[in-house]
Order: sequence, then structure tokens, then C-alpha cells
Amino acid sequence: NAGVTQTPKFRVLKTGQSMTLLCAQDMNHEYMYWYRQDPGMGLRLIHYSVGEGTTAKGEVPDGYNVSRLKKQNFLLGLESAAPSQTSVYFCASNRGWGPTTGINQPQHFGDGTRLSIL
Amino acid sequence: DAKTTQPNSMESNEEEPVHLPCNHSTISGTDYIHWYRQLPSQGPEYVIHGLTSNVNNRMASLAIAEDRKSSTLILHRATLRDAAVYYCILRDVTRDYGQNFVFGPGTRLSVLP
Repeated sequence: NAGVTQTPKFRVLKTGQSMTLLCAQDMNHEYMYWYRQDPGMGLRLIHYSVGEGTTAKGEVPDGYNVSRLKKQNFLLGLESAAPSQTSVYFCASNRGWGPTTGINQPQHFGDGTRLSIL
Repeated sequence: DAKTTQPNSMESNEEEPVHLPCNHSTISGTDYIHWYRQLPSQGPEYVIHGLTSNVNNRMASLAIAEDRKSSTLILHRATLRDAAVYYCILRDVTRDYGQNFVFGPGTRLSVLP
């Protein structure tokens, strides 16, 4: 049972570099999410997707782009990394059906990507 | 927006029950109460959720006040593995979807052997 897999697990970038974080889920979930977690804080939603080919902005979307070309994958891109984007990034997914459409379906999280930008 | 308030930290002794409180005085009738926990160096994991009635599952129990302005997550017998940050979140289909999936700072639970 792989669940939600994030790659890479660690990365160090220089300011201005670009990179893509990959999230893959094998549970056939409709909804996927990208979060960031800064030290001592909760998780803040960056972007999310309610289905293949769709994306939407969360609470802190600036400086990030996302794509959901395949149902099982959700990519998070940093076009020009900044030190303020140093954080731990978590991907999550859940099912979407019924009257509450994803609200009450448990989110399944990956183990995170630790990203440092110098 | 309906928000939750939790203590920053709590301590418990191993093998004793733990009651983690959450205040949500502005909760609406369509808000579901969700709990997640995050073990060290891991992503959060779902614990339990409910609307009005108390709920039990293999991990924990959720006790919801009659006026729904507060709730309590109950771990019946704390183990060292239960040391984590516990998040209480309100989720409502009538709210903008993305607003439902933000996690506040939570309560850091320490379990003493």
C-alpha cells in the first residue's frame, strides 16, 4: 500500500532556481492538495485540485504553480525559488462523492518534502 | 469564518485517558468537526469526525457538546505513540472549498512514560 508518495524527500535549492515536486497517489482519489508547513505552525493550503485537469488556489498560492494532467499525479512547481519558500511541503488526497463531496472524506497525506532555499 | 481554539500544549501520563479540548463558539449548523494528528516527521493522519452526536472509532472518541460550541477528542489510554500535534478543524460544504482545508497550530500532546 503506497498511498501518497512524494518525491523528492529533501532538496536544497539556490535562490532563483526552479523545481517541481511530484505527488502520486494510488487510491484513485479525485481530490488532491498541496500544503506547506513552516516551523511551529499548522499546514497552509497552497493549491488543490478536484479532478484531472482542474486546479484552484488555496490560502497561499503566490510563487507556486500546479498541474494535474493525470488523476494520480499532482505537481507543484516553483518557477523562481525564494528563501521564504523554505518549508516542508505535504501532499494529500481524498475521495469526492456524496452530498458533502470530499469535505468529510479523510485526507491521506504523504510524508513530506523538506525544501531549503539558500 | 468559523474558527477553532485549542490549547497550545498538553501533557499526559502513559496508559491514562487524555481529553483534548476544542472550542468553536461560532460554529454553524452545517459545520462538521474533524480531528487529525501529526506524528513527528510525518504528514497528518485522520482521526475522527462528527456533526452532532458523539462518535467512536478504533483510534479515539469524539464528544460534542449539546450546543456544539465545543468538542473533546478522547484517547482512552494514551501510549507513547500518541505523542503528536492534534488539529481540530471545521469543514462546511457551504464555505469556499479551499477554506475548509487549512490546519491551525493545533495542540502538542506529550505523553510521559
